[in-house]
Amino acid sequence: NAGVTQTPKFQVLKTGQSMTLQCAQDMNHNSMYWYRQDPGMGLRLIYYSASEGTTDKGEVPNGYNVSRLNKREFSLRLESAAPSQTSVYFCASSAFPGDRNIRPQHFGDGTRLSIL
Amino acid sequence: AQTVTQSQPEMSVQEAETVTLSCTYDTSESNYYLFWYKQPPSRQMILVIRQEAYKQQNATENRFSVNFQKAAKSFSLKISDSQLGDTAMYFCAFMKQLGGADGLTFGKGTHLIIQP
Repeated sequence: NAGVTQTPKFQVLKTGQSMTLQCAQDMNHNSMYWYRQDPGMGLRLIYYSASEGTTDKGEVPNGYNVSRLNKREFSLRLESAAPSQTSVYFCASSAFPGDRNIRPQHFGDGTRLSIL
Repeated sequence: AQTVTQSQPEMSVQEAETVTLSCTYDTSESNYYLFWYKQPPSRQMILVIRQEAYKQQNATENRFSVNFQKAAKSFSLKISDSQLGDTAMYFCAFMKQLGGADGLTFGKGTHLIIQP
C-alpha cells in the first residue's frame, strides 16, 4: 500500500545513546516532516524538508539532526539521547502546493521512543 | 507564529448524540487552511475534515461538519449521530499553505469519549 513507512515502531534507549529513525514515502511527495507528540500535547514540528537537499528547523529542533537522503527518505537522528526526548515520533509527507484534492499530509504510524 | 487552542481537554457524550469540539487560532495570515484530525488508540493520524480560509461555505463530510468563523478565528467541529468508533483524540490544526513546507501547527487535543 502506498504511504509513509516509519521504522522502528518501538525503541528503548539509554541516556547518551544515539539512534536514527527512518522514514520513507512512495507517493513522490516533495515535502517531508518530523513531529513529536508528548502526552497531553498535539504534534510539534521538529524539522521539515521542502525538497530533496533542503532541511529547515521547526518548533522544537534542539537535540535532533535530519537528513533528506533522497526524495523518498527523511531520517531523524538523536546524537545523544536524553529522557526529555521520550516521545512518539511521526513522519509525514505532502505534495507540493497544488495537491488540493488530496490529504494535506500523509502520516506514518509513529515510533514510540523511550529513553531511560 | 501561529497558535491553536483547544479549550476542552475531554468530552463525553452518549451514542447518537451530537457533539461540538471547539478550536480557536491566532494568525496574521489572510489565506490559510484548517483541519481536524482524529487519533484513535492505534495512534494513526486520520484527517477528518479540512477548510480553506478563502471559502465562506463551511465544510462537511458525512456526519462531520465545521463552523468556521474567520473574523472570530474560530473553527469548531460538529459530529452528528455520534458512534462508538468516534471515540478518539481530536486535534485541530493550522497550515499556512496546502503542501506548505513549514508543516502543521496543532492544538493540544480534545479526548472525545462516546458512551454506549
